[in-house]
Amino acid sequence: DAEITQSPRHKITETGRQVTLACHQTWNQNNMFWYRQDLGHGLRLIHYSYGVQDTNKGEVSDGYSVSRSNTEDLPLTLESAASSQTSVYFCASSETRPGRRDNEQFFGPGTRLTVL
Amino acid sequence: SQQGEEDPQALSIQEGENATMNCSYKTSINNLQWYRQNSGRGLVHLILIRSNEREKHSGRLRVTLDTSKKSSSLLITASRAADTASYFCATGGGYGGSQGNLIFGKGTKLSVKP
Repeated sequence: DAEITQSPRHKITETGRQVTLACHQTWNQNNMFWYRQDLGHGLRLIHYSYGVQDTNKGEVSDGYSVSRSNTEDLPLTLESAASSQTSVYFCASSETRPGRRDNEQFFGPGTRLTVL
Repeated sequence: SQQGEEDPQALSIQEGENATMNCSYKTSINNLQWYRQNSGRGLVHLILIRSNEREKHSGRLRVTLDTSKKSSSLLITASRAADTASYFCATGGGYGGSQGNLIFGKGTKLSVKP
């Protein structure tokens, strides 16, 4: 079955280290998104991509970067991890259908990141 | 910045009762969606209602949309313990782009007691 996976599911790292969270989808969908979820804030958009080689900043992009070299993957990199980046990270994908603006998103299981 | 705001933040009911959650938003929308999140899991899409629709049903779910009031409600009828989860509304045309971005509210935490 088509799916969207994230790895690792749990990660503990130290302040200042570079961390990369993986996201892989097998639906061949063109849109991919990264969110962080924190208590009291709901889901906030970090970065998004509408296709290969396309990346865009979201609401809370500082300290994060993404790259889209193929349709299936959108890795999220924390250049220098900070304690404020301790959170649960969700990747999602969606399809853009010609002539329609329906944009149901499919979510991965999440990665719980702790920065000490 | 959240577009949708759910109300109430938390709701506790008995099995068999109906649960109603509300969502208010600020700007014009193309559609409004509801998602469910079980503890420790990713979000799952429940239902989408377009801006030209007023009501939509899916199984035990009923969603209404009032664009004049910029509000939506999600009704879960005959609730079950398995409905215990957080419920989020999301509106289309969100931050930056227009091609599928969504803005999520902070969610309503529903607890259904057996």
